[in-house]
Amino acid sequence: GQNIDQPTEMTATEGAIVQINCTYQTSGFNGLFWYQQHAGEAPTFLSYNVLDGLEEKGRFSSFLSRSKGYSYLLLKELQMKDSASYLCAASDSNYQLIWGAGTKLIIKP
Amino acid sequence: GAVVSQHPSWVICKSGTSVKIECRSLDFQATTMFWYRQFPKQSLMLMATSNEGSKATYEQGVEKDKFLINHASLTLSTLTVTSAHPEDSSFYICSAKGGPRSERGTTETQYFGPGTRLLVL
Repeated sequence: GQNIDQPTEMTATEGAIVQINCTYQTSGFNGLFWYQQHAGEAPTFLSYNVLDGLEEKGRFSSFLSRSKGYSYLLLKELQMKDSASYLCAASDSNYQLIWGAGTKLIIKP
Repeated sequence: GAVVSQHPSWVICKSGTSVKIECRSLDFQATTMFWYRQFPKQSLMLMATSNEGSKATYEQGVEKDKFLINHASLTLSTLTVTSAHPEDSSFYICSAKGGPRSERGTTETQYFGPGTRLLVL
């Protein structure tokens, strides 16, 4: 079956770096998405990876290893506003997104 | 670019009434639109996928006669919750794909509307 695994919750300190991991198993693969969802709001698109490697965009970077079925989202210089849930989603052979349950990130001062 | 709007943002209704939620892609033509439901502190649950001019594809366990989806154009999809009951109270979110290719995304990226909070009394 198709499955996405990511930690339920993580805690980090303001100004620090945090890495949120995601592993996936899908029938076919057409890319890996990361979304941010603040409490009470809809998700917003952060990144998309389809090739192996690291995509860096400002404070947020995303990494993909297709052979390992693994991705991570790296957040640097954490700010209080980064407190949110981070959703990992893999696109399968039919371009349907398989969603993870999300990782709730708590930032402490 | 890739802005999706949703209306209304919240609605309170009596049990037994029907509620219509609109989802619009404002600056792109959406090849496909999706409807999700999210209960408090739970993950996104896909309800259905709709393509313009064709019948929606519903996920297992979602009643198609209760959640009517109409995708009338490439920029508008509607979800009607018929004979709503308190257990239908939830956060309903639409998304659309087919937007402009950006430096970080693809035409497969789903862009979400702001969501609609439904409370059925």
